[in-house]
This record gives sequence, structure tokens and C-alpha cells, in this order.
Amino acid sequence: GAVVSQHPSRVICKSGTSVKIECRSLDFQATTMFWYRQFPKQSLMLMATSNEGSKATYEQGVEKDKFLINHASLTLSTLTVTSAHPEDSSFYICSARPRQGTGRTGELFFGEGSRLTVL
Amino acid sequence: AQSVTQLGSHVSVSEGALVLLRCNYSSSVPPYLFWYVQYPNQGLQLLLKYTTGATLVKGINGFEAEFKKSETSFHLTKPSAHMSDAAEYFCAVSGANQGGKLIFGQGTELSVKP
Repeated sequence: GAVVSQHPSRVICKSGTSVKIECRSLDFQATTMFWYRQFPKQSLMLMATSNEGSKATYEQGVEKDKFLINHASLTLSTLTVTSAHPEDSSFYICSARPRQGTGRTGELFFGEGSRLTVL
Repeated sequence: AQSVTQLGSHVSVSEGALVLLRCNYSSSVPPYLFWYVQYPNQGLQLLLKYTTGATLVKGINGFEAEFKKSETSFHLTKPSAHMSDAAEYFCAVSGANQGGKLIFGQGTELSVKP
């Protein structure tokens, strides 16, 4: 199956620092990637939709200046948590939607997730 | 607008018993429905999906689900539970023209007793 890779899988940082999480589609091009946040024992909350070459669309209540999303290429989207605080500690998961014409249109592939701990 | 409700945050069954995880949805457009499984500290793996056509959908690992429009339900079943089925299960809904944007239910943790 298609592979979506997230890096790093785990990161611990000090309060006030910024952390970048990468989401890569390894064997397909993705025009759209989604970023989710998951608290312990809870569901996935959609944070934003990232479209290649354009600005991300954020869900209501998600601070765009806090969670910077860049989708610079068809295989890479990044989420930067700026000036991280302990309440930003969470499991962040990305998913990627293959570009039309790849034969996988309509499917959605998830990364393994990145666990952020802010001290 | 769309939403998903999973009845029961935790379900416990004995090994070999029937697994039934309930999912009800709300959607203003024809829904696409999904079931995902998540193991601890991992991403999501697609079990099965319904888009159009046959309402009984078969997925991986012996799971299946039936789309019932009249009941707005998409319950997940497996005839005989295995210890390896213990995990978190998420039901999700999307619309046909929503570019893959998924709305997830709260999740159901499945425990399997020996």
C-alpha cells in the first residue's frame, strides 16, 4: 500500500521553542494533506487542510499563527508548532490524498503520527 | 455539516465472540463512510470503506460493515474476535465532494479477553 511517513515520530522540547513535523508521501504525489491532533484516549481533531502551492485552510478554533503549515511540494507538508507550550503536547497525525490520475484518487493514507511533548 | 457518533467508548468481548462496534452518522450530502483501526502510538489503518454500490462492505482482517441509510448507521462487525483485534477503532464520514476531509467519531476501544 501507499506509504506516508512522518518525522520525527517523537520529539521533546522546552517551552517556548518551535518544533517542525514533516509529512511525506513516499510513493505518490499528494495535492492535499490533512493535519490532525489527537489527545490521549480521544478522537482525531482536524486542524487544517494543506494544499500544494497555496495557503492552508484552518478549522475553526485552530490558531494559524501557532500552527504553521507549509505544503511546498507534492510530496511534503510541514507543521510547525511555534512557541510551544505544555498544552500543545499531543499526538499529531497527517494524512495524504493522492493526486488525480495516480489511480488512487479518493483514498486517504495516514502517517504513523508524531508525539510532541513540551516540557 | 457532518458528524459521527460511536456508541460505547469501550467494548469488551471474549476471544471467539462476535464483535459489534456501533457507528451512527449525520450528513447533509451522500456520505462516504470509513472504519479505521489504531494501535497504541501508531497512525491509522483503513479497515474498510463505503462510497457507493453494495451496502455490505468487507474489509481486512475479517471485518465487515453495512451501510443502512434508513438508520444512518455503519456498524462494524467481525464474527469471531481474535486477541490481535484489541485496538482503538474509529468511524469516520466524508462527503463525495469534500476532497477527502474526514470527520471522526470519538473512537471505541476494543478489548479481547482470553
